[in-house]
Amino acid sequence: KQEVTQIPAALSVPEGENLVLNCSFTDSAIYNLQWFRQDPGKGLTSLLLIQSSQREQTSGRLNASLDKSSGRSTLYIAASQPGDSATYLCAVKEGGQNFVFGPGTRLSVLP
Amino acid sequence: EAGVTQSPTHLIKTSGHQATLRCSPISGHTSVYWYQQALGLGLQFLLWYDEGEERNRGNFPPRFSGRQFPNYSSELNVNALELEDSALYLCASSSYRGRTEAFFGQGTRLTVV
Repeated sequence: KQEVTQIPAALSVPEGENLVLNCSFTDSAIYNLQWFRQDPGKGLTSLLLIQSSQREQTSGRLNASLDKSSGRSTLYIAASQPGDSATYLCAVKEGGQNFVFGPGTRLSVLP
Repeated sequence: EAGVTQSPTHLIKTSGHQATLRCSPISGHTSVYWYQQALGLGLQFLLWYDEGEERNRGNFPPRFSGRQFPNYSSELNVNALELEDSALYLCASSSYRGRTEAFFGQGTRLTVV
């Protein structure tokens, strides 16, 4: 059974810092991995999708990497801003299965 | 292009009654996923529909059920509501059996009193 964990559970940084969020999964037989952000009480916003054949994806200040063999993905956020404050979730998709989510990392960027 | 839409936004129901939640996927998407997110907890998988068929089901009692219509919209029904069913219910859609990017709606906040 696939299990997804995220470290750290919470993170507080001053504005402008670069930061890394970590996601680990137990079964490397995945179709893809997707990063989302969730603002309190809201739905999830898709940030980046990495297919199993890819090593990384970039969108603006965000860069996500995937190492399938080691069961790890990282989300790098450059020059953090207060508007980046949210919970960040990673989810893996296996063949014939639903998305399995990690518990999330709660990020606070202080002005 | 319209995103995933869920209705209603908020729903207040009495314990023991039934609730119906609706989801319209992005145009062209055939897969719909339902998740429950209780306050302060993670996303718990409920149901996955693809091309009108139930593909997978999470560890929830049978009073949680749903269906997908020919236009790929979906309905989640919760019977015999319990106080513990109070949560944010999120719907997501994707295409090609979930192999592409998934997009979520804003959710339905269900409160059982």
